Amino acid sequence: AQSVTQPDIHITVSEGASLELRCNYSYGATPYLFWYVQSPGQGLQLLLKYFSGDTLVQGIKGFEAEFKRSQSSFNLRKPSVHWSDAAEYFCAVGEDSSNTGKLIFGQGTTLQVKP
Amino acid sequence: GAVVSQHPSRVICKSGTSVKIECRSLDFQATTMFWYRQFPKQSLMLMATSNEGSKATYEQGVEKDKFLINHASLTLSTLTVTSAHPEDSSFYICSASPGLATDTQYFGPGTRLTVL
Repeated sequence: AQSVTQPDIHITVSEGASLELRCNYSYGATPYLFWYVQSPGQGLQLLLKYFSGDTLVQGIKGFEAEFKRSQSSFNLRKPSVHWSDAAEYFCAVGEDSSNTGKLIFGQGTTLQVKP
Repeated sequence: GAVVSQHPSRVICKSGTSVKIECRSLDFQATTMFWYRQFPKQSLMLMATSNEGSKATYEQGVEKDKFLINHASLTLSTLTVTSAHPEDSSFYICSASPGLATDTQYFGPGTRLTVL
């Protein structure tokens, strides 16, 4: 069965510093991978997704993620964090076996940004 | 961008009553809608998948008679929590997809249910 692990429950970075949020997945075939951000009072917003092709994916708000098959990872990065990036971040894998579009989410990482 | 709304955003009800939550795709047709439940400081747990005009597919452990899902049109799905109890208190989130498995899911803002 597919699973997603986000090892870091809570991360604090200073504004302007670089950021990397970790995501590891378990899936037999090539996974469909997503990063979503959840801000209070708002729905989850898609930051980026990987289906195939170039393993470095560019997303919105200056985020990028790199798919590394050998490490079963899909880490999210941003070179310079802004205070508005403080939110909950979820990595998810799409369950393609049944072609239903179902997503399995990681536990989430809370990002706090220090001024 | 695609917008999904949920109504109500917050509801408080007495134990034993039923509560209906609406999920609407405002600017696209959603062949598939998903319902999730999120506990505080935890991840989203998929409850069920609904396709327009057909019965919902529930995840293992989710009581289909307690969580009634109706997907009557391409823009509306409803989740009814029947005979709600305090343990049903949670944050319920819906998402909508145009239909393909690889399509992006667009999420609603969620509904906070509190059962007294």
